[in-house]
Amino acid sequence: DSGVTQTPKHLITATGQRVTLRCSPRSGDLSVYWYQQSLDQGLQFLIQYYNGEERAKGNILERFSAQQFPDLHSELNLSSLELGDSALYFCASSVDSYQPQHFGDGTRLSIL
Amino acid sequence: LAKTTQPISMDSYEGQEVNITCSHNNIATNDYITWYQQFPSQGPRFIIQGYKTKVTNEVASLFIPADRKSSTLSLPRVSLSDTAVYYCLVGFNYGQNFVFGPGTRLSVLP
Repeated sequence: DSGVTQTPKHLITATGQRVTLRCSPRSGDLSVYWYQQSLDQGLQFLIQYYNGEERAKGNILERFSAQQFPDLHSELNLSSLELGDSALYFCASSVDSYQPQHFGDGTRLSIL
Repeated sequence: LAKTTQPISMDSYEGQEVNITCSHNNIATNDYITWYQQFPSQGPRFIIQGYKTKVTNEVASLFIPADRKSSTLSLPRVSLSDTAVYYCLVGFNYGQNFVFGPGTRLSVLP
């Protein structure tokens, strides 16, 4: 158990809809990262937050947004969903950008 | 453009040492290299992290040459339960980007 909790584990929705994925980091970790894993693109970095502030941005679409709250949990919001957004979404946390990231078990998003 | 490459697959036998290499260009002086193991339907599990030379923990060793353009994960005496996909994760641009390699599918045979 990595100590990173992601909910829900599975999400099934339709094209055009909006969903929110939630992540609770390990106790003591200030940094949260979001990744997308798909068969064709592999594991792709989306965005990082550190203590509530956006720290780094990767291949995140404009339809996607994230935030980190004062209690350090984070949410990833995906809107105007398309079939191609079907993927596993992982959250990871670490003490800071130079310490190992520890991953949750992901949210599997299926778009019908 | 930050990019990492790994062999797509490797086969080994129980009890052998396995070495998996990841190549990475444009790594900054302060960026780290981290290796993960992933089983189906699970998140990547941390194995080891290094910055330069050699790092060893209870499960693996990580070798990073002086030019830091590659790194090699060494798994001593693999067992059947080590069958998994192994990923390198490289920080780029002083922690402004994080790039996973494509993953190496390791199959350990009896």
